Amino acid sequence: NAGVTQTPKFRVLKTGQSMTLLCAQDMNHEYMYWYRQDPGMGLRLIHYSVGEGTTAKGEVPDGYNVSRLKKQNFLLGLESAAPSQTSVYFCASTDRYYSGNTIYFGEGSWLTVV
Amino acid sequence: KQEVTQIPAALSVPEGENLVLNCSFTDSAIYNLQWFRQDPGKGLTSLLLIQSSQREQTSGRLNASLDKSSGRSTLYIAASQPGDSATYLCAVRPANAGNMLTFGGGTRLMVKP
Repeated sequence: NAGVTQTPKFRVLKTGQSMTLLCAQDMNHEYMYWYRQDPGMGLRLIHYSVGEGTTAKGEVPDGYNVSRLKKQNFLLGLESAAPSQTSVYFCASTDRYYSGNTIYFGEGSWLTVV
Repeated sequence: KQEVTQIPAALSVPEGENLVLNCSFTDSAIYNLQWFRQDPGKGLTSLLLIQSSQREQTSGRLNASLDKSSGRSTLYIAASQPGDSATYLCAVRPANAGNMLTFGGGTRLMVKP
């Protein structure tokens, strides 16, 4: 009963390096989201996807790219990491007919850019 | 643009106390409002969902109310326990934003034995 799984859980990057965060869900959900959480600011939406092969920008998309090649996976990429991208990243998924109680979050990925 | 604010940012209470967490939002055009719990190092777990047409929802010792016209919601926790220590976040689903949520900054609660 995995739900939403994020990898890696922790990562330290040097400024300018690139990396990819992987989110996998096993619930056959249509919608997937990437959020970042900074102290005192709640969660802010980076990008989201409403289905395989589709992506869209959220509130804070700059510096990130995403891909949804398979329905169960949603990848978040940082092409050239910056210290401002130090944050905790959360992936979430919902079904097409999101009733509110069926949003599932991963346990987070802690990223530090030095 | 919808903005969600939670006050206080942190709260420390003795065990057994009843407490209220506050959430306010700037745009009353919402589909629903949801309260989440977040334990340290973990993701978010949904606690209560209130549809825009509802006034309150209850689950065990938790009661959430919604006053959409004034842009406010409260989460009432009765007889608090040390196990309630966590960060509580509220989030609104704007009426015309698909399945996206706008989150508040959270209230970090500590219940002391």
